[in-house]
Amino acid sequence: GAGVSQSPSNKVTEKGKDVELRCDPISGHTALYWYRQRLGQGLEFLIYFQGNSAPDKSGLPSDRFSAERTGESVSTLTIQRTQQEDSAVYLCASSLEGRRGETQYFGPGTRLLVL
Amino acid sequence: SQQGEEDPQALSIQEGENATMNCSYKTSINNLQWYRQNSGRGLVHLILIRSNEREKHSGRLRVTLDTSKKSSSLLITASRAADTASYFCATDSTYSGAGSYQLTFGKGTKLSVIP
Repeated sequence: GAGVSQSPSNKVTEKGKDVELRCDPISGHTALYWYRQRLGQGLEFLIYFQGNSAPDKSGLPSDRFSAERTGESVSTLTIQRTQQEDSAVYLCASSLEGRRGETQYFGPGTRLLVL
Repeated sequence: SQQGEEDPQALSIQEGENATMNCSYKTSINNLQWYRQNSGRGLVHLILIRSNEREKHSGRLRVTLDTSKKSSSLLITASRAADTASYFCATDSTYSGAGSYQLTFGKGTKLSVIP
């Protein structure tokens, strides 16, 4: 079956603009994660969705960042009033149930550049 | 904050040689995973080792875990040019309630295998 898909692949925006990134998880996966990866760095956890439970937003860096997920399907990550420091690759992953030790399957990422 | 720290940061070897990458972490873990990333895009899960395991094999991959030293190593034997990628360790040291499970990644080792 299809893997995790993300769109757009690349996004260039001007400082101060809002951007919306999309993630389509693997069908049937109840858990969905967003990560940010700055150039040459590891992944930073942003937010986690599990079924209909309240999302774990503990990794969101500021209130300019928000994310939504409808049921167990598509998720969107929104960054308002973008700053140059938001430039990074934003990676989405999904897993079957979000349990400890589960493999997370990653999408190809969205490369965001804020000018 | 980064939990895992890989070393070396970069490694260049000839095809056919073995490549060893190390990862150290700070807090107690339940399991440790290794991921591979090509060209700064999506990550691919390679192998998971649980805290009560000391060694695990998968094809040309061998992973060891020393919980007393809070370290792990990934060995790739008989390397190939196609193994060129960045390799990350990830731990599940953070576990919040309601089933939330996030991975904490290191900064990665960039491996170059020269044909």
